[in-house]
Amino acid sequence: AQKITQTQPGMFVQEKEAVTLDCTYDTSDQSYGLFWYKQPSSGEMIFLIYQGSYDEQNATEGRYSLNFQKARKSANLVISASQLGDSAMYFCAMREDTNAGKSTFGDGTTLTVKP
Amino acid sequence: NAGVTQTPKFRVLKTGQSMTLLCAQDMNHEYMYWYRQDPGMGLRLIHYSVGEGTTAKGEVPDGYNVSRLKKQNFLLGLESAAPSQTSVYFCASSYTIDGNTIYFGEGSWLTVV
Repeated sequence: AQKITQTQPGMFVQEKEAVTLDCTYDTSDQSYGLFWYKQPSSGEMIFLIYQGSYDEQNATEGRYSLNFQKARKSANLVISASQLGDSAMYFCAMREDTNAGKSTFGDGTTLTVKP
Repeated sequence: NAGVTQTPKFRVLKTGQSMTLLCAQDMNHEYMYWYRQDPGMGLRLIHYSVGEGTTAKGEVPDGYNVSRLKKQNFLLGLESAAPSQTSVYFCASSYTIDGNTIYFGEGSWLTVV
């Protein structure tokens, strides 16, 4: 079974609008971390945001916020006020602390921002 | 402030050739990882290391070997390259097992013909 599921292969959003990228995860660990990365066409992996399993508040970093619903095992990324430069592939990842800190990645969502 | 550096960035190999990818980090991180990314897919863990002198298998270890003789370096070797190993390889490191940031290198594009 996949540990990280991103059900949206591709998403479109109008510039300046908000968009939510879905991510669900599967783990039996109590202690874990959830990450979102952006991969532009140039290929590098850019860290966006992190949520620890014990964090009670949703993480926010500028225009990025993580909608963490622990009981549903979901960690959706919300990008507010989309910009053309947000067009990229977005990956959700999970680190399980009892598994030597190894991170498992989803297959990604390609986001295209329309002018 | 180099962070995580991978060399080489691009390489074309013939089937059966061998090569080594070098990953170097200057952040004194304990944990280092090698991932591969195939077109349109996420990253899959090949091997990882939890400290100098240690290595362990990840999700897709077959056809690869690794070594961590120095804390700052993590080498990925292909003994006999196969076309199925054509991929983009990413090295990553983190300070602690529960660190809130994993630092990635810029990727190494490998083509096996």
